[in-house]
Amino acid sequence: NAGVMQNPRHLVRRRGQEARLRCSPMKGHSHVYWYRQLPEEGLKFMVYLQKENIIDESGMPKERFSAEFPKEGPSILRIQQVVRGDSAAYFCASSPISGLATYNEQFFGPGTRLTVL
Amino acid sequence: AQTVTQSQPEMSVQEAETVTLSCTYDTSESDYYLFWYKQPPSRQMILVIRQEAYKQQNATENRFSVNFQKAAKSFSLKISDSQLGDAAMYFCAYRRGQGGSEKLVFGKGTKLTVNP
Repeated sequence: NAGVMQNPRHLVRRRGQEARLRCSPMKGHSHVYWYRQLPEEGLKFMVYLQKENIIDESGMPKERFSAEFPKEGPSILRIQQVVRGDSAAYFCASSPISGLATYNEQFFGPGTRLTVL
Repeated sequence: AQTVTQSQPEMSVQEAETVTLSCTYDTSESDYYLFWYKQPPSRQMILVIRQEAYKQQNATENRFSVNFQKAAKSFSLKISDSQLGDAAMYFCAYRRGQGGSEKLVFGKGTKLTVNP
């Protein structure tokens, strides 16, 4: 069973360009989370999605950032008009459907390191 | 809002010795989970250990154990018989219990060096 897949692993963009980060959750997982890790910092929550729904976007910057998790295909984190401050590692995590279990572990992907020149 | 504080930016330990990493948190919730994650140089986030707030017994996983003090809102990680492969960043994390957003709140991390 493949783990959480993220691509690309490394992405270089110039200021003003768009960045698209993709996340394929583990098989059977319908919850996806995106986190950002700035240099020398811990991970910070950005957004929590279920299939076709944004559940919690309290950590998303108000402008330039968007996320989706369509019925088919990977989850996409999109950053428009990137700036140098967007340089960071972006991690995706997935978890299974919430049900009777009170706890669902989040399994992390390897991250995408975004560098903005 | 919940916060997680790791007051030790760096720690070091001799191989085969024991080290304790500190973590405190702030929450008004009564139902929550606490975690320790390991991030080696590969940057992959690896779950080390988990503690449910409703459990009084401290969690253990092989050489890793926690000291969970709910009243003090303290959650430290003890690594026994340290190995070179334990060298990594360690992050303490918090998550609300059932019924809320399942997002994780992380501390800033502690860099652990293991000396041979």
